[in-house]
Amino acid sequence: GPKVLQIPSHQIIDMGQMVTLNCDPVSNHLYFYWYKQILGQQMEFLVNFYNGKVMEKSKLFKDQFSVERPDGSYFTLKIQPTALEDSAVYFCASSSGLGGLEQYFGPGTRLTVL
Amino acid sequence: QQKVQQSPESLSVPEGGMASLNCTSSDRNFQYFWWYRQHSGEGPKALMSIFSDGDKKEGRFTAHLNKASLHVSLHIRDSQPSDSALYFCAASEHRSPNTNKVVFGTGTRLQVLP
Repeated sequence: GPKVLQIPSHQIIDMGQMVTLNCDPVSNHLYFYWYKQILGQQMEFLVNFYNGKVMEKSKLFKDQFSVERPDGSYFTLKIQPTALEDSAVYFCASSSGLGGLEQYFGPGTRLTVL
Repeated sequence: QQKVQQSPESLSVPEGGMASLNCTSSDRNFQYFWWYRQHSGEGPKALMSIFSDGDKKEGRFTAHLNKASLHVSLHIRDSQPSDSALYFCAASEHRSPNTNKVVFGTGTRLQVLP
């Protein structure tokens, strides 16, 4: 089936540094999402992105967070500066449309902030 | 306030048994419901969707939706050890032409014992 790729699978950085998480969504998908999951627990919505713009974001999407997809390349989540509480697994997802259409998830990037 | 609650938090069933998972939403704006399954170390993968009241059956999996009570359930018959995973209920609301808010439930961890 359709696959979403995420790079890297694991990232360890020091608090205060910048980190960029990369997502290669399903090729014909137009809607992109980031989610945060802590300790294999609840999946929490961060942001959804369409046509070069953030369409909706949650309160977890702090000012230090930004997303972009320059020229159809990777869909990225940048955190600058990072904080200890940003340690989590970040999942990227994509969908071909909205409403009841399925979101396809990547395998996640485990971010550890020291 | 958690808008999508799942119960139980964890569940153990014997191989071949029936597993029943429950999900209740507190937001009547949600129109679309999905069940996702997440195996350890992987991203969530959609199992099935349900948008209309009543039952929907796909193989060993049956979902039931009652919009009046905002309740959706998933029943897995003839449970297999490979069904052991974290199960999420997800509810979404198509808010605008380009915005799709998806809220994941708190999760149920299912263990199928050989």
